[in-house]
Amino acid sequence: AQSVAQPEDQVNVAEGNPLTVKCTYSVSGNPYLFWYVQYPNRGLQFLLKYITGDNLVKGSYGFEAEFNKSQTSFHLKKPSALVSDSALYFCAVRDRSNQGGKLIFGQGTELSVKP
Amino acid sequence: EPEVTQTPSHQVTQMGQEVILRCVPISNHLYFYWYRQILGQKVEFLVSFYNNEISEKSEIFDDQFSVERPDGSNFTLKIRSTKLEDSAMYFCASSVLSVSGNTIYFGEGSWLTVV
Repeated sequence: AQSVAQPEDQVNVAEGNPLTVKCTYSVSGNPYLFWYVQYPNRGLQFLLKYITGDNLVKGSYGFEAEFNKSQTSFHLKKPSALVSDSALYFCAVRDRSNQGGKLIFGQGTELSVKP
Repeated sequence: EPEVTQTPSHQVTQMGQEVILRCVPISNHLYFYWYRQILGQKVEFLVSFYNNEISEKSEIFDDQFSVERPDGSNFTLKIRSTKLEDSAMYFCASSVLSVSGNTIYFGEGSWLTVV
């Protein structure tokens, strides 16, 4: 069965410092990998995705993520955190063989960036 | 930028009542989804819909739930007889058929409170 793990319920970072939000997955084959962000009382906003090619993908708001096949990880990173980055972040996977297939989400990580 | 729109943003209903949540997916998208998020928990897949029929559904999507695309633009989720445990944020989502790995775009959600 496919699953996604985000081992940290919460990540606390000082503004200006780099941030990492961790994600590991357990799926068969090579899935598509996604990060979404959810601000309070809002929907899920797409940040970035890994399809193929370069293991480092860049997305919205200065975020990037690194795909590591051997470690089955897709950690979200940003070189310099902003207070406005504080939100709930979800990692998700999708079966590559099914173009209309569902996303399977991790449990989410609350990012808190303090001034 | 095109977006998925959902109505109502918040609905309070009595247990046992029927609820219809409405969604207008992005206009050129072909796959439609409903997800839910119980407060403080992960985002869970309910159902996917393609070519006017359900393509996949989860264990959560039992006989109390149904989906419909009544016209060329709307996509609805009906809960026939709501239960307290149906209280959650319900997200509609859509994606376009693509060979590069579809991104699923989410609406802002409909908060359902069953009392």
